[in-house]
Amino acid sequence: KAGVTQTPRYLIKTRGQQVTLSCSPISGHRSVSWYQQTPGQGLQFLFEYFSETQRNKGNFPGRFSGRQFSNSRSEMNVSTLELGDSALYLCASSSSGADTQYFGPGTRLTVL
Amino acid sequence: GENVEQHPSTLSVQEGDSAVIKCTYSDSASNYFPWYKQELGKRPQLIIDIRSNVGEKKDQRIAVTLNKTAKHFSLHITETQPEDSAVYFCAAGRNAGNMLTFGGGTRLMVKP
Repeated sequence: KAGVTQTPRYLIKTRGQQVTLSCSPISGHRSVSWYQQTPGQGLQFLFEYFSETQRNKGNFPGRFSGRQFSNSRSEMNVSTLELGDSALYLCASSSSGADTQYFGPGTRLTVL
Repeated sequence: GENVEQHPSTLSVQEGDSAVIKCTYSDSASNYFPWYKQELGKRPQLIIDIRSNVGEKKDQRIAVTLNKTAKHFSLHITETQPEDSAVYFCAAGRNAGNMLTFGGGTRLMVKP
């Protein structure tokens, strides 16, 4: 099976803009989780979607949002970008959410 | 919420030696403990995981032990090789993956 894919791989934005990142899970996987990875804060959980419903949410401001489509593909959106949003955004998929998570390659977001 | 602490933050060993990384968690409801290896510029990859009904699990040169009473778990790598050099993350979660809380990571350097 093909692995988890994420697009785009790199993004450069300026403060105040918004951005949408996409994640395609492994075929058959219905759960998609999003994580933010930074040198200072490490890997932090953003949210998890299962069957188009947000099932879990981490401690991030409302500027961070997401959704999942009927084919299990997921998008996350960050509005009103801040410099501190620069990070590697990773998504991970699992078959049911009660199973091993497999990570995508990530989207490297730089906010100038 | 859950808090995972990981030690040491850096570890340097000679090729052939063993390496041990330790993590503690705070939420007694956590029941799933995966370990991920992340090479520079690459995605985190699962190397081994353990569930709370098991005290130890081994896969070739890698083993993980779990002490539920003390709320700590450890990764043991024997006969280290230069290709084991990477950052290793422990994590804790419920229901095997819905929402993982990660430790801060350990940079392992294996010297030839």
